[in-house]
Amino acid sequence: EVQLVESGGGLVKPGGSLRLSCAASGFTFSSYSMNWVRQAPGKGLEWVSSISSSSSYIYYADSVKGRFTISRDNAKNSLYLQMNSLRAEDTAVYYCARDFGMKVAGIAAPGFDYWGQGTLVTVSS
Amino acid sequence: DIQMTQSPSSLSASVGDRVTITCRASQSISSYLNWYQQKPGKAPKLLIYAASSLQSGVPSRFSGSGSGTDFTLTISSLQPEDFATYYCQQSYSTFTFGPGTKVDIK
Repeated sequence: EVQLVESGGGLVKPGGSLRLSCAASGFTFSSYSMNWVRQAPGKGLEWVSSISSSSSYIYYADSVKGRFTISRDNAKNSLYLQMNSLRAEDTAVYYCARDFGMKVAGIAAPGFDYWGQGTLVTVSS
Repeated sequence: DIQMTQSPSSLSASVGDRVTITCRASQSISSYLNWYQQKPGKAPKLLIYAASSLQSGVPSRFSGSGSGTDFTLTISSLQPEDFATYYCQQSYSTFTFGPGTKVDIK
């Protein structure tokens, strides 16, 4: 059974740092791209960052570029998000999600098929 | 960046109703469009990928169509468990979610 379990959330002051982790199990972690998606309280979903299976390709939303760093350790089946210079607007539930790497007519069709339960990050003084 | 819009932002419907939600991209995204369902306090669930492909395990009452900039999600006969918020997502250039459509009980 595929499982993604996030941890590391909590209360942090503006300007502070936090590192989120996502422990993966039930699939070959090193074969899949992974993502972070967040959801502010009562708001919609916002894609945050993606990392390819071998960490060769990394992408960030403009809202977090230069402040957040995504990484992974395939030996530990783990995904990370280092969050620095946190702002009040970063307050959200953070989900890790697997890109299922589906292909349609031979062409990659990215989509997030498994999600963790989320971890809440609150940025407040 | 590609922007996504959805309409309506919310709708009220009854069990058995046919429900259609529209998603529009700010530029052509071919068929790189996914649909998710999210219930309160839960993680999103992938329903449709590549605009019209049904994700494994998703009931056949869900269907998707469209290409280019205009897409629709249709629920052919709304069931009690379908009351939720629905999001579209483009995967043509990184990822962007639409603002969501909340489906509640009339």
